[in-house]
Amino acid sequence: RKEVEQDPGPFNVPEGATVAFNCTYSNSASQSFFWYRQDCRKEPKLLMSVYSSGNEDGRFTAQLNRASQYISLLIRDSKLSDSATYLCVISNSNSGYALNFGKGTSLLVTP
Amino acid sequence: NAGVTQTPKFQVLKTGQSMTLQCAQDMNHEYMSWYRQDPGMGLRLIHYSVGAGITDQGEVPNGYNVSRSTTEDFPLRLLSAAPSQTSVYFCASRVTGLNTEAFFGQGTRLTVV
Repeated sequence: RKEVEQDPGPFNVPEGATVAFNCTYSNSASQSFFWYRQDCRKEPKLLMSVYSSGNEDGRFTAQLNRASQYISLLIRDSKLSDSATYLCVISNSNSGYALNFGKGTSLLVTP
Repeated sequence: NAGVTQTPKFQVLKTGQSMTLQCAQDMNHEYMSWYRQDPGMGLRLIHYSVGAGITDQGEVPNGYNVSRSTTEDFPLRLLSAAPSQTSVYFCASRVTGLNTEAFFGQGTRLTVV
């Protein structure tokens, strides 16, 4: 079983819609949690870190549930420019701070 | 700001050939790593380094060597290329520790024929 699991999608949503992605992780020792965004044929870029209390950045909200071992990303008022693949990323000090990536969830926002 | 620079961007190799993918960063990051990305597989860690002179294996190290003689450079060597190594390779650097952002190079698209 892969350590980080994501629904690959694709999620096809109209502009203005709200969409949510979940990610589950199997290592209870995981300490750091992130969402990265990857545009087609480009390098991944940090979208936001995920903190225990949950955090928000504009239209994006991330939540962490340690008890159930999942993180989520909510995108409100979707824009065409949000179309990308969203990567769930986990890290912990026991693995030398290596980043462990999920396979990504593909989002397509349509007019 | 250069950030993380990878060269080449594209490469075609014949089976059995060797080559080195170059990675350089100008952010004075101690932590550098190499990933490969294959369709449906996500990014998988090949090798990483926590500082000059220190390297370690990741999830898929076979067929690859690395060295870290300086903080700035972290080259990845393919010893004898195989078609299974056809992939997109990303180099990344970050400050060592939790909750630190990884900065990626633009990637190298490698095809082994």
